[in-house]
Amino acid sequence: AQTVTQSQPEMSVQEAETVTLSCTYDTSESDYYLFWYKQPPSRQMILVIRQEAYKQQNATENRFSVNFQKAAKSFSLKISDSQLGDAAMYFCAYRSARKVPGTASKLTFGTGTRLQVTL
Amino acid sequence: EAGVAQSPRYKIIEKRQSVAFWCNPISGHATLYWYQQILGQGPKLLIQFQNNGVVDDSQLPKDRFSAERLKGVDSTLKIQPAKLEDSAVYLCASSLDRGVPYEQYFGPGTRLTVT
Repeated sequence: AQTVTQSQPEMSVQEAETVTLSCTYDTSESDYYLFWYKQPPSRQMILVIRQEAYKQQNATENRFSVNFQKAAKSFSLKISDSQLGDAAMYFCAYRSARKVPGTASKLTFGTGTRLQVTL
Repeated sequence: EAGVAQSPRYKIIEKRQSVAFWCNPISGHATLYWYQQILGQGPKLLIQFQNNGVVDDSQLPKDRFSAERLKGVDSTLKIQPAKLEDSAVYLCASSLDRGVPYEQYFGPGTRLTVT
């Protein structure tokens, strides 16, 4: 079974600064997807960024980028130029890329990191 | 495009009572998921439907939880009887069956408090 570990329960960053959230995972599969989701107090999970395991290039989305180290099974999220609106819970998630019909495509989540953004 | 709709947003019940949650996925999304998120934890999949068939319900406590997705569109998750440990946020998500990697879109969730 796959597991996802986020070892930082809380992080704090000053506005306009850069912060990195850590995530490690364990899997025996070679093809999979990794995600970072943001969950603000409204509770709605919002996809921040996605990484396909077969791609060596790290994904980027505006101020958000990842450092994907497949051999080390590490997937960290870097937020640049932090804004007050970035304050939320951030969840790292794993999904298998198996394409067997009828196979569950569930997301396996970590326990989350609460990010605070200060002035 | 309308997002995933869920109701109610909040529910407070006493233990041993029953409760039902409703989810309407994004139009055209064949796959629907119910996740349970206990405070301080990440969401955990309870059940996954593809159209109106169950793909995975291995984590669903079937002695008290049930779910259905009639006509392959909206879905209802029921708990009967509720226990204190069922207090959680229940998230519904949906995805297309095509287009890698079947990105899941989440609803706003229902916060359940069992007293």
